Amino acid sequence: AQSVTQPDIHITVSEGASLELRCNYSYGATPYLFWYVQSPGQGLQLLLKYFSGDTLVQGIKGFEAEFKRSQSSFNLRKPSVHWSDAAEYFCAVGGRANQAGTALIFGKGTTLSVSS
Amino acid sequence: GAVVSQHPSRVICKSGTSVKIECRSLDFQATTMFWYRQFPKQSLMLMATSNEGSKATYEQGVEKDKFLINHASLTLSTLTVTSAHPEDSSFYICSASGTGGADTQYFGPGTRLTVL
Repeated sequence: AQSVTQPDIHITVSEGASLELRCNYSYGATPYLFWYVQSPGQGLQLLLKYFSGDTLVQGIKGFEAEFKRSQSSFNLRKPSVHWSDAAEYFCAVGGRANQAGTALIFGKGTTLSVSS
Repeated sequence: GAVVSQHPSRVICKSGTSVKIECRSLDFQATTMFWYRQFPKQSLMLMATSNEGSKATYEQGVEKDKFLINHASLTLSTLTVTSAHPEDSSFYICSASGTGGADTQYFGPGTRLTVL
């Protein structure tokens, strides 16, 4: 079955501390992996994506993620968290787009709180 | 680039009425648009996939006669919630993919529907 697991429902980190959000996936074909961020009452903003190539991908706002095929993981990291990073983070997996496009499968999300 | 808008951002309606939500890709042609529903503190659940000029494909459990989707052009898809009931109250989010990046979905800001 195709699925995405984000084991941590809620994480609190201190401002300036490092962050790692976990994501594991199960997908029958070559996965395309995404991380999105959602602020309260807002839509989703794409942070970064992995299709192929270098397994360490850089995104916006200083985020990066590493694809580990052997572990079926795509963890999101940031070396120094800012208070404005407090939000909901979603990991998603999809397949190669065809003419019809492919829908994404989302994890349940991780709520990030930042303490001062 | 790759901006998706939704209108309205918030709507309140009476039970039994119909509500139309528009999703527009502003700077690219969206060959495929997706409609998601998000309950409070939960992940996004795919409702349907629509391709320009063809009928939408609905996910299991989604009533196609209740949630009417039209994708009449490469920049516009609409979701009409017919005979809305309080249980239809939710956050509806659209996404689009297409010539701007077929393997990446760009999300709209969402529409908060409240049915009284």
